[in-house]
Amino acid sequence: QQQVKQSPQSLIVQKGGISIINCAYENTAFDYFPWYQQFPGKGPALLIAIRPDVSEKKEGRFTISFNKSAKQFSLHIMDSQPGDSATYFCAASIYYGGSQGNLIFGKGTKLSVKP
Amino acid sequence: DADVTQTPRNRITKTGKRIMLECSQTKGHDRMYWYRQDPGLGLRLIYYSFDVKDINKGEISDGYSVSRQAQAKFSLSLESAIPNQTALYFCATSDPMRDAGELFFGEGSRLTVL
Repeated sequence: QQQVKQSPQSLIVQKGGISIINCAYENTAFDYFPWYQQFPGKGPALLIAIRPDVSEKKEGRFTISFNKSAKQFSLHIMDSQPGDSATYFCAASIYYGGSQGNLIFGKGTKLSVKP
Repeated sequence: DADVTQTPRNRITKTGKRIMLECSQTKGHDRMYWYRQDPGLGLRLIYYSFDVKDINKGEISDGYSVSRQAQAKFSLSLESAIPNQTALYFCATSDPMRDAGELFFGEGSRLTVL
């Protein structure tokens, strides 16, 4: 019940296309859903995050869509660029005891954007 | 300088050797973490510490130990390294009261056990 399932494992998209990565969870107590981006040789870094009180959050070309009833959330990268080529991790956590709990990560998606 | 610094960045060792990976941070965060990354398995939590006197096991703590020497320092030890501990190890910090639990990662320590 603590798992976050991420798909696909790898994704190849043409420059200018839309990249879509999906995640699903079981624990309805999760209330914070971030996406992390990792470039080769670097640690992951927070890209964008959403809480379940909204169904969508957009920051530039990156959008999180959240479906509470289906217990799914997804990352959309519009107008994908070669510089977006990286590994993306979804995650989830629970807020309790006055602070955010530990993040549970998906297994990651390696995105390659072809020029 | 990086906010979260890991040393060494790369290490090759032999089975049975003791290895220590060190992490220091300048972010002033109380919470520190050690994660392991393997291809296709994502990021798995080894140990975490909410303050100097608090150490907690994560998902995959067997074969590992940690020490929180100060608020800014958190080290991971492999007492007797084995080949399946070959992986990329990340240290991370967070302040859940300020940044909604955002994790700040170091650049990783790649460990190879022969």
